[in-house]
Amino acid sequence: RKEVEQDPGPFNVPEGATVAFNCTYSNSASQSFFWYRQDCRKEPKLLMSVYSSGNEDGRFTAQLNRASQYISLLIRDSKLSDSATYLCVVNEKDSGYSTLTFGKGTMLLVSP
Amino acid sequence: DVKVTQSSRYLVKRTGEKVFLECVQDMDHENMFWYRQDPGLGLRLIYFSYDVKMKEKGDIPEGYSVSREKKERFSLILESASTNQTSMYLCASSVSGLGDEKLFFGSGTQLSVL
Repeated sequence: RKEVEQDPGPFNVPEGATVAFNCTYSNSASQSFFWYRQDCRKEPKLLMSVYSSGNEDGRFTAQLNRASQYISLLIRDSKLSDSATYLCVVNEKDSGYSTLTFGKGTMLLVSP
Repeated sequence: DVKVTQSSRYLVKRTGEKVFLECVQDMDHENMFWYRQDPGLGLRLIYFSYDVKMKEKGDIPEGYSVSREKKERFSLILESASTNQTSMYLCASSVSGLGDEKLFFGSGTQLSVL
């Protein structure tokens, strides 16, 4: 059974704080990893892909640990506009087709 | 910009009705997907398609069927709607089928089955 587990939160942080989200996945054969962001009552949108070497995009840093089957997202200097649900997403290959499995999401609330 | 359009934002249907949810994408993407999203359960894959007239079951296909007669259009069909199919339905499309694709989502259809 494919599983992607996240702490549901919510994480309540003040502006300027650093916050980290974690995600674990069950399928060791998973090939690709992503973080999506979903604003309230909106559709999910790709935030960033996650690479084995780790990658950074401005205030956001994503890391992958294949041995532990663990993915993380670090947000530095949190802004009010970062308030959203962050979805950990893992590529799964089954019967020759690749599909994406979504975690249930971690909610972030940034307050003034 | 890629646009994925879902025909209705809100829909109310009665138990037993046949329901059609339509999705159209304008970027010539090969892959299209239907998910449903429920509080506490996250997004779950219902059906997907990697080509015209091709369909594959996702994780929760029971009670649903799909149709892909044209590349740009992927329809989700509830043959006989039930109250447990009340949910937010999200359509998505992407370019490649290798698992590293970026998914573009429509804005969703909130379906209520009474």
